[in-house]
Amino acid sequence: AQSVSQHNHHVILSEAASLELGCNYSYGGTVNLFWYVQYPGQHLQLLLKYFSGDPLVKGIKGFEAEFIKSKFSFNLRKPSVQWSDTAEYFCAVNARNTGFQKLVFGTGTRLLVSP
Amino acid sequence: NAGVTQTPKFQVLKTGQSMTLQCAQDMNHNSMYWYRQDPGMGLRLIYYSASEGTTDKGEVPNGYNVSRLNKREFSLRLESAAPSQTSVYFCASSAPGGANTEAFFGQGTRLTVV
Repeated sequence: AQSVSQHNHHVILSEAASLELGCNYSYGGTVNLFWYVQYPGQHLQLLLKYFSGDPLVKGIKGFEAEFIKSKFSFNLRKPSVQWSDTAEYFCAVNARNTGFQKLVFGTGTRLLVSP
Repeated sequence: NAGVTQTPKFQVLKTGQSMTLQCAQDMNHNSMYWYRQDPGMGLRLIYYSASEGTTDKGEVPNGYNVSRLNKREFSLRLESAAPSQTSVYFCASSAPGGANTEAFFGQGTRLTVV
């Protein structure tokens, strides 16, 4: 069974600082990878996803993530955060060609960006 | 385009009461899902429906029932609410095919059982 680890549970940054949130998964086969964001009081929204191809994936709002297969990692990055990036971020994984019901979420990272 | 709509947004129940959470999607998606979100635990799948007329248990189905009323609607029922069911509940749907796609989430129902 897959599992997903997000090592940083809480991150506090000042505006304009760079962001990197870690995500590691355990699964020996081919995977699909996702980052979702949940702004305060709102539903989860997809930031970016990786299915195949270029391991550097660009998403909305200036976010990107790099899939490093040898490290089983899919870290989320943003060069310069804004106050509006304050949210909870979830990494999720499912095995390739399985349904979304097989998606496994990490426990989330709460990001607080101070103005 | 409303996407995934959940009702109610907030609910307080007494232990032992029953209620149904409603979910509807207007994206013609085959698959629908119910998750619960608890602090420090991420999202956990309660039940899902791969297509109209089918439902299956997820990771944490105990204490819940579901109905896939039609392609658009997927409801979650708590027959006898318990304080352990205090949580935020999210409904989601995904495009036909299911695999290698993404899901769209509703805005959530914050349920408190006292």
